[in-house]
Amino acid sequence: GDSVTQMEGPVTLSEEAFLTINCTYTATGYPSLFWYVQYPGEGLQLLLKATKADDKGSNKGFEATYRKETTSFHLEKGSVQVSDSAVYFCALSDNAAGNKLTFGGGTRVLVKP
Amino acid sequence: EAGVAQSPRYKIIEKRQSVAFWCNPISGHATLYWYQQILGQGPKLLIQFQNNGVVDDSQLPKDRFSAERLKGVDSTLKIQPAKLEDSAVYLCASVRDRGLNEQFFGPGTRLTVL
Repeated sequence: GDSVTQMEGPVTLSEEAFLTINCTYTATGYPSLFWYVQYPGEGLQLLLKATKADDKGSNKGFEATYRKETTSFHLEKGSVQVSDSAVYFCALSDNAAGNKLTFGGGTRVLVKP
Repeated sequence: EAGVAQSPRYKIIEKRQSVAFWCNPISGHATLYWYQQILGQGPKLLIQFQNNGVVDDSQLPKDRFSAERLKGVDSTLKIQPAKLEDSAVYLCASVRDRGLNEQFFGPGTRLTVL
């Protein structure tokens, strides 16, 4: 079945540091890929998405590129802020399975001033 | 537009008791999902509705969990009887049509089973 693996946290960074969170997936079809973010005390929010190979999703300074050859969708941000402290989830959506989301385990990111 | 609403936000019960969660999706959204998120893990799909019909309930523990979506709008998820391992956040999400792939999530209900 479909699965998503992402790096474990917590990841602790200083403000303005570079952030990378690795995500790899396995899927039988041609999934869409997502990064969701969960800020403290809030619900899951879509951060960015990519629907086909080589697409780049971007939002709020975050970027991720859909790499079919390496089955990866790594999240990056060049200069993090304290407000980026959250839990980040990589997920895939299988169009052949009703578009249900399969999530990775989440990566907690803590940005210190 | 209003987001996905869920209630209650928190619930504490004893094991073997029953509990019910309610979800009101975004107006006009035909597809509704219930996910279970155990602490430290990613959400896992329990059940998917398309209007008032079940599309996928393969991961729902049917001996104790049940869900319904009467009239194709609000949905209720029930656990009876609850076990300790049911302690989790229960998330509801909706999408206008299951051909689209951006799901909108509610704030969740945090269940603690003692």
